[in-house]
Parts: sequence; structure tokens; C-alpha cells
Amino acid sequence: AQRVTQPEKLLSVFKGAPVELKCNYSYSGSPELFWYVQYSRQRLQLLLRHISRESIKGFTADLNKGETSFHLKKPFAQEEDSAMYYCAPHTAQAGTALIFGKGTTLSVSS
Amino acid sequence: EPEVTQTPSHQVTQMGQEVILRCVPISNHLYFYWYRQILGQKVEFLVSFYNNEISEKSEIFDDQFSVERPDGSNFTLKIRSTKLEDSAMYFCASSEGFMNTEAFFGQGTRLTVV
Repeated sequence: AQRVTQPEKLLSVFKGAPVELKCNYSYSGSPELFWYVQYSRQRLQLLLRHISRESIKGFTADLNKGETSFHLKKPFAQEEDSAMYYCAPHTAQAGTALIFGKGTTLSVSS
Repeated sequence: EPEVTQTPSHQVTQMGQEVILRCVPISNHLYFYWYRQILGQKVEFLVSFYNNEISEKSEIFDDQFSVERPDGSNFTLKIRSTKLEDSAMYFCASSEGFMNTEAFFGQGTRLTVV
């Protein structure tokens, strides 16, 4: 069965600390992987996608096919990073559905 | 910048009543989606829609739910006979394609069933 796991419901860090939000997936085929973010009172929006190999707002995510993980990282967290983060693998086998993990709330305090 | 818009922002309805949630996707997008988020829980996929028909639907999307694109611009979610457990935030989304393309989300409609 296709499954995405975000093991931490809440991650609290201090400003300037490194952040790693974990995502593990169990999908057949080669999924494309996305991270979406929802800031307070804002709509869900794309943060980054694996295929772009980009860094957005200082965040990066490395696909580890061996561990089937796509963890989101940032070396120095900022207070404005506080939000809900969702990992979303997507495969052609899943059709058009984009299925989200349970999400991790990141709380960055000063 | 184009946005997905949803109306109303908040809808209160009595149990057993029908509700229609409305969405205007981004105009050149071809794929449309509905998701829901019960308070404190994850964002759950309901249904995807392409070429005027349902592409995928989840187990949640049972016979009480239906979707429609009545006029080429609006995309609606109808809940025929609402139940208390239908209370949630409902998000509409649209995308140009479905693989490797970004899904753009609306602000959501908060549905409260009393």
C-alpha cells in the first residue's frame, strides 16, 4: 500500500537552530516528491519539489531512495518558518491524486 | 497573480441539509481537486476531476458527495445530506497537469454542521 509518514506531529526549535522535518514514503515506482507549507491563516502552497533540486526560503530536501525518505532541512530556522509542513509523494500509479502526509507543525521561537 | 477562489468562506448548515461549496480554479488549469481537513487532523484527499469527469476519489467520497463543473469556470462540491462529521475545512485546488506540477489551493471553506 502507498503510504507517507511524517513521524513528528510537532517540532519546536529555537531561532537559529537547524531543522529537519522527516518524511518517509512507501510507494511503488519512482514517486515525485513535494513539500507543501501552510502558514497561519494562509492557503496551502508548494514549498519545493524534488525534481527542481531547488532551495526555497533556505529549505532543501534530499531524496534518499535507499531509505525512501525526503526529509526537509534548513540550517538556521527563522521565526517566520513557523507553519504546518506536509510531505506529498506522487506517482503515476496514484493517478491524479496528491496525497499528503499527516503534517508536522514547526514552531520556531526566539 | 491568479488564485483559486472559494466561496463561501464559512458555511453553517443543519444536519441533513444539502450544501454546495464553490470554487473558481485558475483559468488555464485542467485538473481540479477537493480536499478536506477536520480540525486538528491532516489534509485528506477527496476527489480529482479532469476532462469533465472524476479521475480519482477516496473512500471518504461516498454517494453523498458529488462534484460538478457546471459552466466551465466554477467547480462545485455538493454534500447531499450533511452529517455532523462533515464539519471540516474544505479546500479546492487546481493544477495545469498532475505529475510534477504545482497544485494551487484556495483559502478554504469552513463547513460547520449543527
